[in-house]
Amino acid sequence: GAGVSQTPSNKVTEKGKYVELRCDPISGHTALYWYRQSLGQGPEFLIYFQGTGAADDSGLPNDRFFAVRPEGSVSTLKIQRTERGDSAMYLCASSLSGVDGDAQYFGPGTRLLVL
Amino acid sequence: AQSVTQLDSQVPVFEEAPVELRCNYSSSVSVYLFWYVQYPNQGLQLLLKYLSGSTLVKGINGFEAEFNKSQTSFHLRKPSVHISDTAEYFCAVSEKLRALTFGSGTRLQVQP
Repeated sequence: GAGVSQTPSNKVTEKGKYVELRCDPISGHTALYWYRQSLGQGPEFLIYFQGTGAADDSGLPNDRFFAVRPEGSVSTLKIQRTERGDSAMYLCASSLSGVDGDAQYFGPGTRLLVL
Repeated sequence: AQSVTQLDSQVPVFEEAPVELRCNYSSSVSVYLFWYVQYPNQGLQLLLKYLSGSTLVKGINGFEAEFNKSQTSFHLRKPSVHISDTAEYFCAVSEKLRALTFGSGTRLQVQP
């Protein structure tokens, strides 16, 4: 079956602009996660959805970052007033139910470059 | 708070040689442990996971890992590597109902 997909694969924007990154999870997966990966580092957790609600948003760096999942499937990560430090690979993952130890399946990521 | 340490940023090895990629974690509670692989320009792929039970876990592509609670380690091993195993390997830990915390990764470079 289809895996997690993310669009766009690459996004170049200018400092101060607004961007949206989209994630389509595996069909039937109720849990969805966003991570950010800087060059040479491991992914860092941003936010976790269980269904439509954000169960844990403790990883969002500041209030310029926001994510939604209105119908419990597709999710959009929104970044306002982008800064050069936001440049990174943004990864989305989904898991079947989000219970303890549930395996997370990752998409290919969106590489964001803020000029 | 949980954390993961991957002691080696790069591991060069010759083809058909054995390899061990080290991972240590810290946590105040029981954890679940994972190894992921990231090939160039691709997403993270799950290699194996430890939830409970046998401390030796077998994964895909001939990899295995051993959970050692007393040493808080979860080292990844393969008895004979191939050129195609060249990639970045990430160890990750998850506490109860928490998202994954990743190490900084180990780049495995398999040379002919």
